Amino acid sequence: SQQGEEDPQALSIQEGENATMNCSYKTSINNLQWYRQNSGRGLVHLILIRSNEREKHSGRLRVTLDTSKKSSSLLITASRAADTASYFCATVPQGSGNTGKLIFGQGTTLQVKP
Amino acid sequence: DTAVSQTPKYLVTQMGNDKSIKCEQNLGHDTMYWYKQDSKKFLKIMFSYNNKELIINETVPNRFSPKSPDKAHLNLHINSLELGDSAVYFCASSQTDSSYGYTFGSGTRLTVV
Repeated sequence: SQQGEEDPQALSIQEGENATMNCSYKTSINNLQWYRQNSGRGLVHLILIRSNEREKHSGRLRVTLDTSKKSSSLLITASRAADTASYFCATVPQGSGNTGKLIFGQGTTLQVKP
Repeated sequence: DTAVSQTPKYLVTQMGNDKSIKCEQNLGHDTMYWYKQDSKKFLKIMFSYNNKELIINETVPNRFSPKSPDKAHLNLHINSLELGDSAVYFCASSQTDSSYGYTFGSGTRLTVV
């Protein structure tokens, strides 16, 4: 069954505001990754956080991971219209070995209004 | 440009036809994947190949047959296309354990009429 669920499904904010997206997953993981998908395009890798890490930053992105709650959040600070896209969390399940298998959540659609 | 490239970008075909989608990566990655994205944007893994060997086959109908002639190429052939096969198909590649994330192609939108 699907590993990740994301919340909210859709988010609309004004430019300059922060956007927070949450992801929950069901089984133990090796790492969790966040991807962005612009309309009609492929997914772009944003950031990866390992199961022994709690927080990670990359530019305007901040990711947290709580393995006890099996959840993660992605914070985009000072959002821009260009951040408008769908955002997906994806997990590498523990025990998947070297298959590289990623299981995706259903995504959050973010709209940033100018 | 270093990338994952897949062709064609759009494919419209009739039910019952056979079609192929091609994928190539020049990133030196060992593992390549096919994912299917449905109309609700849900992404599901179909196949994974590591150094030309099939390592994941996720209960996909055997009308779908991947082929990896070398580790830089992973093609997807679909026989006897059905309406339910309409979706966007993404090719991706990664290092073996995906610890640095996937690189995705831009997708092939397949429409079966």
